[in-house]
Amino acid sequence: GENVEQHPSTLSVQEGDSAVIKCTYSDSASNYFPWYKQELGKRPQLIIDIRSNVGEKKDQRIAVTLNKTAKHFSLHITETQPEDSAVYFCAASGVTGANNLFFGTGTRLTVIP
Amino acid sequence: GAGVSQSPSNKVTEKGKDVELRCDPISGHTALYWYRQRLGQGLEFLIYFQGNSAPDKSGLPSDRFSAERTGESVSTLTIQRTQQEDSAVYLCASSLTTGLETQYFGPGTRLLVL
Repeated sequence: GENVEQHPSTLSVQEGDSAVIKCTYSDSASNYFPWYKQELGKRPQLIIDIRSNVGEKKDQRIAVTLNKTAKHFSLHITETQPEDSAVYFCAASGVTGANNLFFGTGTRLTVIP
Repeated sequence: GAGVSQSPSNKVTEKGKDVELRCDPISGHTALYWYRQRLGQGLEFLIYFQGNSAPDKSGLPSDRFSAERTGESVSTLTIQRTQQEDSAVYLCASSLTTGLETQYFGPGTRLLVL
């Protein structure tokens, strides 16, 4: 089945700096890659997603890039703010054609004021 | 509109007891998913329902785990003879259909097996 790896596991940045989180996946058939933000004790919330027919997508301070050949995708957060502090999960769609997601192990982002 | 809801929010049980967790998906969402999240870890896929099709049970960790869903409504996840390693947050998600649709998560049920 699909295997998603995520790095780094923890990331600390100064407020205003950029943060980059990277993920790789194993199954070339995966074609949907969402990113979720999870604050402590809260449910995961979708922040951005990308489908395999595009290489980059941007939404204000958040961008995601996808390299299908290398099977990796990245989340970029610019001008980080303290409220960006959370755990971020990448995910890839399953191989069966269904929409079940395989998640990375998460990155705990801390933005230092 | 209302999001995905789950009940109970917290459940404490003794080892060996059975537990039943409930998920109410967003109205009109045909796809429903269960995930497990152990403390400090990522989400682990358990089972997936799509309409009236046979569920994808490929993520269930053992035969003590089962889930049901009636049509496109409520789902229940049952864990029989609970073990301490079953302690986790159980998250339910729903999406409009399959095929690259956004999954919306419920608040989860925090299960503690003593």
